Amino acid sequence: GENVEQHPSTLSVQEGDSAVIKCTYSDSASNYFPWYKQELGKGPQLIIDIRSNVGEKKDQRIAVTLNKTAKHFSLHITETQPEDSAVYFCAAAGGSYIPTFGRGTSLIVHP
Amino acid sequence: DSGVTQTPKHLITATGQRVTLRCSPRSGDLSVYWYQQSLDQGLQFLIQYYNGEERAKGNILERFSAQQFPDLHSELNLSSLELGDSALYFCASSEGGRDTEAFFGQGTRLTVV
Repeated sequence: GENVEQHPSTLSVQEGDSAVIKCTYSDSASNYFPWYKQELGKGPQLIIDIRSNVGEKKDQRIAVTLNKTAKHFSLHITETQPEDSAVYFCAAAGGSYIPTFGRGTSLIVHP
Repeated sequence: DSGVTQTPKHLITATGQRVTLRCSPRSGDLSVYWYQQSLDQGLQFLIQYYNGEERAKGNILERFSAQQFPDLHSELNLSSLELGDSALYFCASSEGGRDTEAFFGQGTRLTVV
């Protein structure tokens, strides 16, 4: 089955800095890669996704990149704000019907 | 609001008891997934249903079972509860394809005492 590795597990940055979270996957059949943000006490919320036919996608301060050859994808957050503090999960899907999640990254943005 | 509704939001019960968690998927979604999230743990896949039929099973204990009804809502039944079953239980729904977006509910926090 699919295996998704996510790093780092914790990321601490100053407000205004950039943050990068990286994930690797194992199933070459995976073709859909969503990212979720989970705030304390809430369910994961889909914030951006990318499909295998593109290498990069941007939405305001967040962007995702995908390298299918190397089987890795990354989330980039620029100009971080305290409200960006949350746990971020990457996932891979398409090889099977089940989205497989990474273990999560706790992002802390210090004012 | 994701459109996925889970009830109850909180549940406190004693060891050995049985509980039922309920999930209503987004309008039009045929697939429902159940995930367990323990403290400091990621999202552990339990089971998936598609249009009333079980489609995939993860590391779901034999004490746990689920079903999806004709109106597409789903229930997760947890029996003979143990302290270690205390966790957040999330339901997610999607259209059902291999590469379609999954939207999560707010979760049910289960505490077993």
